[in-house]
Amino acid sequence: DAKTTQPPSMDCAEGRAANLPCNHSTISGNEYVYWYRQIHSQGPQYIIHGLKNNETNEMASLIITEDRKSSTLILPHATLRDTAVYYCIVRVVSGGGYQKVTFGTGTKLQVIP
Amino acid sequence: NAGVTQTPKFRVLKTGQSMTLLCAQDMNHEYMYWYRQDPGMGLRLIHYSVGEGTTAKGEVPDGYNVSRLKKQNFLLGLESAAPSQTSVYFCASSYRGAYEQDFGPGTRLTVT
Repeated sequence: DAKTTQPPSMDCAEGRAANLPCNHSTISGNEYVYWYRQIHSQGPQYIIHGLKNNETNEMASLIITEDRKSSTLILPHATLRDTAVYYCIVRVVSGGGYQKVTFGTGTKLQVIP
Repeated sequence: NAGVTQTPKFRVLKTGQSMTLLCAQDMNHEYMYWYRQDPGMGLRLIHYSVGEGTTAKGEVPDGYNVSRLKKQNFLLGLESAAPSQTSVYFCASSYRGAYEQDFGPGTRLTVT
């Protein structure tokens, strides 16, 4: 799996958009970008994933650059409950078989009142 | 659905004692995983299972054993606990290996 680089920490004002960047310059054509988050002391929670098109769900939006070497997770209106560690992961998605998921150290997002 | 549940939530062991951590999921997922999380190290995969009756080693399997006798349960055993196994243990499951994983709430284990 490709290696990812994320800033160790970020702050965001409550109610504003939180933009979390991720660099994955060695990503392969068959690797997807996944985002998870981990709220303090809880298990990681899946947020969103994408291959090359921008994706949006009820939690967030994922913007992937055209060359796929970087992406940005957007939380449109951050709340205090969004304070968490956010993990950007790239992985192969191809049918059956075990697919390794490597969690790095992520970005610690602090939402400030 | 309860999702992924873990038992117990907390445990303190003395060095050399044994214990079993239980993970249960009610989503009919084929794949199940055990991770450990230590400060500053992210999550590391201990063992995983691709279906009932199967298990496989992950990144850090030494000192642990697992069993998947029923599809919905995945057990993690420590036969002789060591202080280095002090950690937070997370169980996860997924429909298939390529799908997103659902995580349990974690078990905080301290070995003294």
